[in-house]
Amino acid sequence: EDQVTQSPEALRLQEGESSSLNCSYTVSGLRGLFWYRQDPGKGPEFLFTLYSAGEEKEKERLKATLTKKESFLHITAPKPEDSATYLCAYLTSGTYKYIFGTGTRLKVLA
Amino acid sequence: NAGVTQTPKFQVLKTGQSMTLQCAQDMNHEYMSWYRQDPGMGLRLIHYSVGAGITDQGEVPNGYNVSRSTTEDFPLRLLSAAPSQTSVYFCASSLTARDTGELFFGEGSRLTVL
Repeated sequence: EDQVTQSPEALRLQEGESSSLNCSYTVSGLRGLFWYRQDPGKGPEFLFTLYSAGEEKEKERLKATLTKKESFLHITAPKPEDSATYLCAYLTSGTYKYIFGTGTRLKVLA
Repeated sequence: NAGVTQTPKFQVLKTGQSMTLQCAQDMNHEYMSWYRQDPGMGLRLIHYSVGAGITDQGEVPNGYNVSRSTTEDFPLRLLSAAPSQTSVYFCASSLTARDTGELFFGEGSRLTVL
């Protein structure tokens, strides 16, 4: 059965303390692996799409990477405004169902 | 552009009542979908549509109906609300169903069923 598992559930970092969030997946026929950011009371906001193992994408302090079993969201020198819930999602070949993980709640302390 | 607009933002229902959550997008997106978000459960797909006149079930479709008569609108109907349907509902759209484009989300509709 296709699924994604995100870890840790929650993470507290000091400002400037780099870390990584994990999205493990067991998916047959992956079409795309996605990362979203969600602020409290808001809808998720798109960050990245990764299509194949070895691919990397960057945006400001965030870098997303993809292997055959996992995706990582690396946060370099985070700031308090990076505090949010980060969600990964996948899409499989032959379907139009975007399936989400349960997310990692990140809190960056000043 | 307004993007994805959901109404109402808040709603309280009694068990057995019916209601419709509205979702409209002004980006000419083919793909639209509904999710519910519950603590510890993440976003779960209810129904989705790849174009006007075409809908299909997601992970948790029971108790919900949808229709897509226009490209712009994708309403979600609860025919007989139950307390288990208390949740935050999000509508999302994407330019096409064929490409793995980003999903644009609305601000959410918080529903409480007593």
